[in-house]
Amino acid sequence: GAGVSQTPSNKVTEKGKYVELRCDPISGHTALYWYRQSLGQGPEFLIYFQGTGAADDSGLPNDRFFAVRPEGSVSTLKIQRTERGDSAVYLCASSQMGSLSYNEQFFGPGTRLTVL
Amino acid sequence: KQEVTQIPAALSVPEGENLVLNCSFTDSAIYNLQWFRQDPGKGLTSLLLIQSSQREQTSGRLNASLDKSSGRSTLYIAASQPGDSATYLCAVRDQGGKLIFGQGTELSVKP
Repeated sequence: GAGVSQTPSNKVTEKGKYVELRCDPISGHTALYWYRQSLGQGPEFLIYFQGTGAADDSGLPNDRFFAVRPEGSVSTLKIQRTERGDSAVYLCASSQMGSLSYNEQFFGPGTRLTVL
Repeated sequence: KQEVTQIPAALSVPEGENLVLNCSFTDSAIYNLQWFRQDPGKGLTSLLLIQSSQREQTSGRLNASLDKSSGRSTLYIAASQPGDSATYLCAVRDQGGKLIFGQGTELSVKP
């Protein structure tokens, strides 16, 4: 497809488990962003990749959260020892180039994570 | 630290009305501002993007304005329709590239 895709669409896990969330950006987009949206709130920034490297990971809440983008395309957000407070919708976005002002971010449908 | 605020949090109007959604931000050092639409349980759809050097953008029945010096943007929706019912989010792009979002305005257009 032409848009950003995310898998799975829904993930239910138990407290303490490890989860991986996947994002496939739009082909050719060099910048990739992860955001987290809690119920009734706007999305909050987690991490931003330019190519394979994390250009800004200041939004990751703690060291249980980690993300990779080894080949500069698909990205995986990894959460260790999940907690109930991690329950949210995790959104991925991509744009053609990271730092230029005119680049629109295009969002995927999100992964709804529920930690029981 | 950049903060984005949207007023009102919720709005209900009869079909056909023109309406304005408000967005304010505390730091005028932005690169651009985007308005998004979010339907329940769905991702974000970009509606309009205004560069920091621009004053407004239009798409169909939507018009977005930007006053960077005062830290404000408005989204004007003309002749509202029930299909416009959704949550509208504004976001400013900071110098590092990330978007900082408001909490959204939940719009309901009654037939």
